[in-house]
Amino acid sequence: QSALTQPPSASGSPGQSVTISCTGTSSDVGAYNYVSWYQQHPGKAPKLMIYEVNKRPSGVPDRFSGSKSGNTASLTVSGLQAEDEADYHCSSFAGSNNYVFGTGTTVTVL
Amino acid sequence: EVQLVESGGGLVQPGGSLRLSCAASGFTFSSYWIHWVRQVPGKGLVWVSRIKGDGTSTTYADSVKGRFTISRDNAENTLYLQMNSLRGEDTAVYYCARGGLVGASHYSFDTWGQGSLVTVSS
Repeated sequence: QSALTQPPSASGSPGQSVTISCTGTSSDVGAYNYVSWYQQHPGKAPKLMIYEVNKRPSGVPDRFSGSKSGNTASLTVSGLQAEDEADYHCSSFAGSNNYVFGTGTTVTVL
Repeated sequence: EVQLVESGGGLVQPGGSLRLSCAASGFTFSSYWIHWVRQVPGKGLVWVSRIKGDGTSTTYADSVKGRFTISRDNAENTLYLQMNSLRGEDTAVYYCARGGLVGASHYSFDTWGQGSLVTVSS
């Protein structure tokens, strides 16, 4: 199972929006609405930000939103804040009881 | 508070074995799928294995199949990962992560431990 493809980096100024893509195949992202996104600050554990493509867990700001089109999922962070600077990882259920993660994207707040 | 705490990491020689533990608290442990996910420092996350709430179903990534064994003790609210025939490429931080309720269609990881570093080197 190959990793989902994410851009290595993305950036934006405070208050702007940044969108991160996550490209898979018709066997994972394209096949299931089970894409999730995780935020990870340096030295910390990942934190669930989006599940089932576009659902936010309790406590996650509505500045974070998710979407999917075909084999590509996206995470958008609107109204960027300094604390949003972190690594972001996507994940998808891949069938046959397997899961696949993305290559990870470092978001920098300029 | 829902919490997962890993332990058992360390330095091990190639070909050696190590057992990781993950202590759970704050939720009904036996009702949930629990997973192991690993991360080479500075790299992306990689799913390793999962186990059903009652321990009757397990799944492994191809890269660890036949070498790693996931298990759980619901009486002790503890998850385990027995790692045998370790290789350099197994060097990573290992996280335990809570999946969905057994019987629910839930395929994300909503709670993570702090991670345990495993280093395979001579």
